[in-house]
Amino acid sequence: EDKVVQSPLSLVVHEGDTVTLNCSYEVTNFRSLLWYKQEKKAPTFLFMLTSSGIEKKSGRLSSILDKKELFSILNITATQTGDSAIYLCASLRWGNEKLTFGTGTRLTIIP
Amino acid sequence: GAGVSQSPRYKVAKRGQDVALRCDPISGHVSLFWYQQALGQGPEFLTYFQNEAQLDKSGLPSDRFFAERPEGSVSTLKIQRTQQEDSAVYLCASSRAGGSQPQHFGDGTRLSIL
Repeated sequence: EDKVVQSPLSLVVHEGDTVTLNCSYEVTNFRSLLWYKQEKKAPTFLFMLTSSGIEKKSGRLSSILDKKELFSILNITATQTGDSAIYLCASLRWGNEKLTFGTGTRLTIIP
Repeated sequence: GAGVSQSPRYKVAKRGQDVALRCDPISGHVSLFWYQQALGQGPEFLTYFQNEAQLDKSGLPSDRFFAERPEGSVSTLKIQRTQQEDSAVYLCASSRAGGSQPQHFGDGTRLSIL
């Protein structure tokens, strides 16, 4: 059974800090790893990572995948209160399009 | 439409009642997924369609859960004889076929069983 584990479960930092969120996975026939941000409503897509060692960036957010050590990190620099959310990591395997999610990291940014 | 649309946003039902949850995917998206999200947990896969074909229903927790997508567009998730443990947020997602594009989620239906 595919397994995705996120850490920490919860994180509280001050505005302006940099945070690193972790996601490890055990997936048969691994294809991709995805990051989503969930505020009160729909999870919104952030990144899809398929190749090892290639950083993806979007503004203050960046992410990278290590397929040898089976993990990914999501970095957020110069955090803002609007970054407060649950960050979800999910794996995708070849041959089936369903996502397997971790439990998420709840990030709280204090002004 | 611009995004995945789900209705109703909230549903309260008494134990034993049947409920139906609707999902309208992004136009042109072939794949449609249903997930169940319990409080404090990540979404868990229920079932998946490619066009009107239900390709995987391995996540449906019991035979009380049934999903359909008869014309390959709108989908309905039906839960019969609801139980308290069915209380959760039900998320629908859609994507272009093949898994090379990300899934985009709707706002979900929050189901409460009294």
